[in-house]
Amino acid sequence: DAGVTQSPTHLIKTRGQQVTLRCSPKSGHDTVSWYQQALGQGPQFIFQYYEEEERQRGNFPDRFSGHQFPNYSSELNVNALLLGDSALYLCASSPRGPGNVLTFGAGSRLTVL
Amino acid sequence: SQKIEQNSEALNIQEGKTATLTCNYTNYSPAYLQWYRQDPGRGPVFLLLIRENEKEKRKERLKVTFDTTLKQSLFHITASQPADSATYLCVPRSGGYNKLIFGAGTRLAVHP
Repeated sequence: DAGVTQSPTHLIKTRGQQVTLRCSPKSGHDTVSWYQQALGQGPQFIFQYYEEEERQRGNFPDRFSGHQFPNYSSELNVNALLLGDSALYLCASSPRGPGNVLTFGAGSRLTVL
Repeated sequence: SQKIEQNSEALNIQEGKTATLTCNYTNYSPAYLQWYRQDPGRGPVFLLLIRENEKEKRKERLKVTFDTTLKQSLFHITASQPADSATYLCVPRSGGYNKLIFGAGTRLAVHP
C-alpha cells in the first residue's frame, strides 16, 4: 500500500517564477494538508483540502494557492517566488475525523535563487 | 495566540539512558496530543496519540504523559539507542477539523 507520494523531490527556481507541487494521498485518505518547513523549524501549516475545497488556511499570502481533485490528489501552487520561499514542502494526508493522524510524504525541496 | 514550546536546544544523551522531551502549550485546550518523529530531509512520522482523559500512554520503549493542568506533555524514550536520534515534534490538537500546529521540535542525539 503506497503511502503519500510527492513530486518533484527537488527543484530549483528563480525569483518571480511560479511552481506547482503535487501530492497523492495514502489510499483511503480524503483530506490533504500542506506544510512549509524551513531549515531548523517545525512544519508551518499552509492549508487543508477536503471535498475539493480549502477548509483551513494558515498565515500564508495569496501567492500560495492549492487545489484538490476528485481522486483526492492535490497541488500546491506558489506564484511570484521569493528567496524566502526556499523550504521543504510537505504534504500530509489523513482520513476525515477528529484526532486524525497525519501521514506525510517525503517532501519537495524547493530552492529559489 | 496558540503557542507550543519544546526544548529549543538539542538533547544529548548516552546510549541506554532515558531521554525525556518536554512540550508546553498555551492558549490551547487540546483534546488530543500527538508526537511525531522526523529524520533529516524526511517527513514526520506519527508515533503516539494521547487523549485528554489519559494520563499516560506507552508503546514499546516510548511513554507519553499528558497533564492538562500544567499544559504539558512529556515524551520518554527508555533504553535509548543511536537509532533514536531524530527530531521529535509535539502537536496539541483540539477537537474538530482544525489545522494541526507543530512545535519547532526537539533534536535528540543518542551517543554510543
